[in-house]
Amino acid sequence: QKEVEQNSGPLSVPEGAIASLNCTYSDRGSQSFFWYRQYSGKSPELIMFIYSNGDKEDGRFTAQLNKASQYVSLLIRDSQPSDSATYLCAVKLYNFNKFYFGSGTKLNVKP
Amino acid sequence: SQTIHQWPATLVQPVGSPLSLECTVEGTSNPNLYWYRQAAGRGLQLLFYSVGIGQISSEVPQNLSASRPQDRQFILSSKKLLLSDSGFYLCAWSDGGVGGWGFGNGTRLTVT
Repeated sequence: QKEVEQNSGPLSVPEGAIASLNCTYSDRGSQSFFWYRQYSGKSPELIMFIYSNGDKEDGRFTAQLNKASQYVSLLIRDSQPSDSATYLCAVKLYNFNKFYFGSGTKLNVKP
Repeated sequence: SQTIHQWPATLVQPVGSPLSLECTVEGTSNPNLYWYRQAAGRGLQLLFYSVGIGQISSEVPQNLSASRPQDRQFILSSKKLLLSDSGFYLCAWSDGGVGGWGFGNGTRLTVT
């Protein structure tokens, strides 16, 4: 069983729309949760992280965490073509300092 | 601020040759350090992580090894590369807290 699951996509949204990306995880010992954006051929760059249940907003991005249901999501408001990338979800386990990544969701924002 | 240096950026090696990838972190002390591999079109696979000098934990049994000779230096090695070792290798650091970490720019390894 994979620790972190993501729909591989591609997810296509029109410019200006809200993109919704989802991630589920299996280990209830997961402590904190990260969203990364990765452009083709580049290393991932951190968008934001969340460790408390609820929503966390940063500019156009909102992360949502539901530990009871073991899912974390990322909403991108006013999507731009420059947001087209693969979005990776990662979880950090509490006791082991290990980060596990999902396989990523490819997002296409159409002008 | 913390920066992480990783080199080389690209590498082409024949099957059976040795490998050494190096990663150093600046701007922090006693970081947790990680090696990940990303195969083409795939997610990141955790290979090794280290919480201190000489402390290495392996996630996946394979022909790779890692060492941490200094606090902010992390090395990935192989004695004999396999074709399946091709991929994008990423070094990462963490402060051990709930957030605060980042990736190096990666090494694209092609084994021929």
